Amino acid sequence: DADVTQTPRNRITKTGKRIMLECSQTKGHDRMYWYRQDPGLGLRLIYYSFDVKDINKGEISDGYSVSRQAQAKFSLSLESAIPNQTALYFCATSDQGLAPNEQFFGPGTRLTVL
Amino acid sequence: GNSVTQMEGPVTLSEEAFLTINCTYTATGYPSLFWYVQYPGEGLQLLLKATKADDKGSNKGFEATYRKETTSFHLEKGSVQVSDSAVYFCALVGGGSNYKLTFGKGTLLTVNP
Repeated sequence: DADVTQTPRNRITKTGKRIMLECSQTKGHDRMYWYRQDPGLGLRLIYYSFDVKDINKGEISDGYSVSRQAQAKFSLSLESAIPNQTALYFCATSDQGLAPNEQFFGPGTRLTVL
Repeated sequence: GNSVTQMEGPVTLSEEAFLTINCTYTATGYPSLFWYVQYPGEGLQLLLKATKADDKGSNKGFEATYRKETTSFHLEKGSVQVSDSAVYFCALVGGGSNYKLTFGKGTLLTVNP
């Protein structure tokens, strides 16, 4: 079984809709991250969480929100989706006890906003 | 801030050819360096890493050496296979942050039989 899972794997939605992407991990890691990948831009950090009560904005958090429901679950929400949020979204985990903070990635969610 | 610059692709090679993907970085202090690989339809997987100057990371026939004097971490493989076709990302963590991965833009490699 995969250590980091994401649901859904693919989603098509319309402008203005609210959508939630979910991430679960069985690695027992304390840190979780959400990235988006756009062609030619690499991966950019949206939000990160060091534990259930510690959530922080990344470099491109506008238009997104997150919820850390438990150590193993970290959800990303788009309150009102817009077409330029069409991208591939990745969840990742790491453990502060691991040096140098190697991150483990989920398989990704491909989101299309029409 | 930290930044990573890697050679733009796409790179197309024939099977058994030699591969080099260049990566240079800007960071304060002593970052740790990584190469991640993304196979079609999959998430990123760590390919190799190096944590200090002159370290050589290696895995699956790929190698990269942490060169502090040239701030580089070039990826090499002596003989590529069709199964190596993927997107390769150079990344770093450190330089004032112990958690944030900074990625290059990725290089698409296609290996033809």
